[in-house]
Amino acid sequence: AQSVAQPEDQVNVAEGNPLTVKCTYSVSGNPYLFWYVQYPNRGLQFLLKYITGDNLVKGSYGFEAEFNKSQTSFHLKKPSALVSDSALYFCAVRPYSTLTFGKGTMLLVSP
Amino acid sequence: DTAVSQTPKYLVTQMGNDKSIKCEQNLGHDTMYWYKQDSKKFLKIMFSYNNKELIINETVPNRFSPKSPDKAHLNLHINSLELGDSAVYFCASSQTSGSSNEQFFGPGTRLTVL
Repeated sequence: AQSVAQPEDQVNVAEGNPLTVKCTYSVSGNPYLFWYVQYPNRGLQFLLKYITGDNLVKGSYGFEAEFNKSQTSFHLKKPSALVSDSALYFCAVRPYSTLTFGKGTMLLVSP
Repeated sequence: DTAVSQTPKYLVTQMGNDKSIKCEQNLGHDTMYWYKQDSKKFLKIMFSYNNKELIINETVPNRFSPKSPDKAHLNLHINSLELGDSAVYFCASSQTSGSSNEQFFGPGTRLTVL
């Protein structure tokens, strides 16, 4: 069975600083990995995905993620955080038909 | 031009009642889903329909019954509502030409059972 771990409930970062939201996964076979963002009282929005190829994936709003097969990680990154990036971030894995989500990490960017 | 829409946005009801949540997508996708997000924000798949046929049914009480009249709609009917059913329910859709395709989510329906 597949699983996703987001070890941090909350990440705090000052505006303008780089940010990292961590994700590790466990799945048999080659995974499809996703990041979604949920703003307050809104649905989930797709940020980026890794399917195959380049380990560094670029997505929406300046976010990127690095796939590391040996460490089974798919950390979300952004070089310079904005206050408007404050939201709940979900990592997800999909080896077959079911999309399994991590428990989410709240990102708080302070001015 | 909302891609995935749900109605109602908020639903407050008494225990024991029966209620429905509607979902529609205008993306031309062939697969639709229902997710439940609990009070701790944990997201869990409930159902998945592909071309109007049920393909995933996670461990969900049989009080929950999805209905897909066509590929663009997946409604969720809940019988005999219980306090524990209080949650936010999200509809989503994707195109399953490959499981690499991302899912598009609706805005959610916040169900409160009193």
